[in-house]
Amino acid sequence: SQTIHQWPATLVQPVGSPLSLECTVEGTSNPNLYWYRQAAGRGLQLLFYSVGIGQISSEVPQNLSASRPQDRQFILSSKKLLLSDSGFYLCAWSVLAGGYGYTFGSGTRLTVV
Amino acid sequence: AQSVTQLGSHVSVSEGALVLLRCNYSSSVPPYLFWYVQYPNQGLQLLLKYTSAATLVKVINGFEAEFKKSETSFHLTKPSAHMSDAAEYFCAVSASNQFYFGTGTSLTVNP
Repeated sequence: SQTIHQWPATLVQPVGSPLSLECTVEGTSNPNLYWYRQAAGRGLQLLFYSVGIGQISSEVPQNLSASRPQDRQFILSSKKLLLSDSGFYLCAWSVLAGGYGYTFGSGTRLTVV
Repeated sequence: AQSVTQLGSHVSVSEGALVLLRCNYSSSVPPYLFWYVQYPNQGLQLLLKYTSAATLVKVINGFEAEFKKSETSFHLTKPSAHMSDAAEYFCAVSASNQFYFGTGTSLTVNP
């Protein structure tokens, strides 16, 4: 069966520090991978998605970047965190056919202080 | 283009009362429709989905949603709310390999 792992669960980082959040998927090949962010009291904002190794599409300009060094690994990074980067970050995967929906990781609560 | 509208960002019901969470969609092609539930500090979990089979979709915890093409709706209901149903609920539509989430509805269940 397919599973998705996301870590860490919580993170408190000072302003200006770097960030690296990792997401891995098991049990499937060539998944579509996604990074979403939820700010407090707001909906889901799609940050990045990837349809293959090294292929990253950015939905919004921001202080973050994403990479996909392996088929089932998706990394969210920042060189210098801002206060506004605080939020709940969710990784998800899907297959191309829309009827399967998305499967989400358990999320990372990032607080920038 | 596809979009999803969830009417009411906050819904409050009493325990045992009917739960109704509204979702309307727009899609130029036949859509797949989903409801996700999110408990505090957790990821989203798939609650149920419509994929062009039966228009009424049910799950074992009492939730159900009915696809009404004429109304472009996929409202989520539960006859009797339980305290454990308190969570954030997201409606989503998928069509032409595009996936869109609604803005979410926070459900509060009062004792």
